[in-house]
Amino acid sequence: AQSVTQLDSHVSVSEGTPVLLRCNYSSSYSPSLFWYVQHPNKGLQLLLKYTSAATLVKGINGFEAEFKKSETSFHLTKPSAHMSDAAEYFCVVRWDNAGNMLTFGGGTRLMVKP
Amino acid sequence: SQTIHQWPATLVQPVGSPLSLECTVEGTSNPNLYWYRQAAGRGLQLLFYSVGIGQISSEVPQNLSASRPQDRQFILSSKKLLLSDSGFYLCAWSNHGSNYGYTFGSGTRLTVV
Repeated sequence: AQSVTQLDSHVSVSEGTPVLLRCNYSSSYSPSLFWYVQHPNKGLQLLLKYTSAATLVKGINGFEAEFKKSETSFHLTKPSAHMSDAAEYFCVVRWDNAGNMLTFGGGTRLMVKP
Repeated sequence: SQTIHQWPATLVQPVGSPLSLECTVEGTSNPNLYWYRQAAGRGLQLLFYSVGIGQISSEVPQNLSASRPQDRQFILSSKKLLLSDSGFYLCAWSNHGSNYGYTFGSGTRLTVV
């Protein structure tokens, strides 16, 4: 079965410290991978995407993610958290055999402490 | 450039009343369109998607329906709202056969009282 798992429902960091949001997927098909961010009562905004080019992907707001096929992971990182990064983050997968359909992870709520 | 509009932003409706949420896309033609619901503390649930005018696929049987009367218009409806219909509703679009993800609207917060 094809699935995407965000390993932490909540992550809390201090401002200025690194951020790591974990995502793993399970499928034998080749994926396209995305990270979206959602601020309270807002729509989802695309942070970055991996579509079989460079495995290290840089996104907006200083975020980046690395596709590791051997680990079936696509973890999101940022060297230094900012208060404005507090939001919910979704790891999303599109499989080659699924057309345009996306599968969303359960989301990780990032809290940033001053 | 492409834009997606979703309205209203917030809505409070009594149980048993009808619902109509509208979503329109500009700057593209024949998009795939999607309705998602996000209940409190839960992830996104795909409700409906459409690959063309009049073509609606339902992912979850429920109290809601969707229609696509025009190429770039997607409407989410209910004849009688239930308390459990409360949530944050998101419309999204994508191009056919694209490696890009979806572009989401700004959402509608529906509270059924």
